Amino acid sequence: DIVMTQSPDSLSVSLGERATINCRSSHIVTSCPNNKNCLAWYQQKPGQPPKLLIYWASYRASGVPERFSGSGSGTDFTLTISNLQAGDVAVYYCQQYSNPPEFTFGQGTKVDIK
Amino acid sequence: QVQLHQSGPGLLKPSQSLSLTCDISGDSVYASKVAWNWIRRSPSRGLEWLGRTYYESAWHTDYAVSVRSRTFINADTVKNQFSLQLSSVTPEDTAVYYCARGFNSALDYWGQGILVTVSS
Repeated sequence: DIVMTQSPDSLSVSLGERATINCRSSHIVTSCPNNKNCLAWYQQKPGQPPKLLIYWASYRASGVPERFSGSGSGTDFTLTISNLQAGDVAVYYCQQYSNPPEFTFGQGTKVDIK
Repeated sequence: QVQLHQSGPGLLKPSQSLSLTCDISGDSVYASKVAWNWIRRSPSRGLEWLGRTYYESAWHTDYAVSVRSRTFINADTVKNQFSLQLSSVTPEDTAVYYCARGFNSALDYWGQGILVTVSS
């Protein structure tokens, strides 16, 4: 089984500062079409479904602010939130897509304001 | 704008079957390069993908290994919706269940979520 491990489990960041969340896969993340990494990031606020932020490891979903950026390849990936805003308080999840088809999520990282 | 709206019972007894429906608006269940997924979130298991259905010349389904033996996902092309059936539920199946559209190997639109509680 593929295991996605996020670090840290929780993170307190001052307004305007940067938050960095790491995600490590137990297996090399599958290569999607066009040689992209099949790795996505989501933001989930209480009482809401997850919202897609990043797909193919570094592509922002429609409407997502440029403050959110993704990077990485192979087994190690990072989500960076620059200039943290109060509205960014949420739990963040990484997710990889593998063959045979299966989506695997990280355990989540809780971000709040210091 | 794609919207997904879920419906179904929120309380089940052990051994019963869970049945949820996801209505699609702004897209078609036949859409190309798109798959229709079910995911759940529980305190003990976090976010867990359950399975998906999609149309590519014919209907296809994929299921997570953990629930494959008791899960069925299908599409209703007349109502433009898709459904999840999970049989023989136990308290371990208590979770918030979501439907979601899969595109570019990510899940870009989600339903609102339904809390399903399994309790005697």
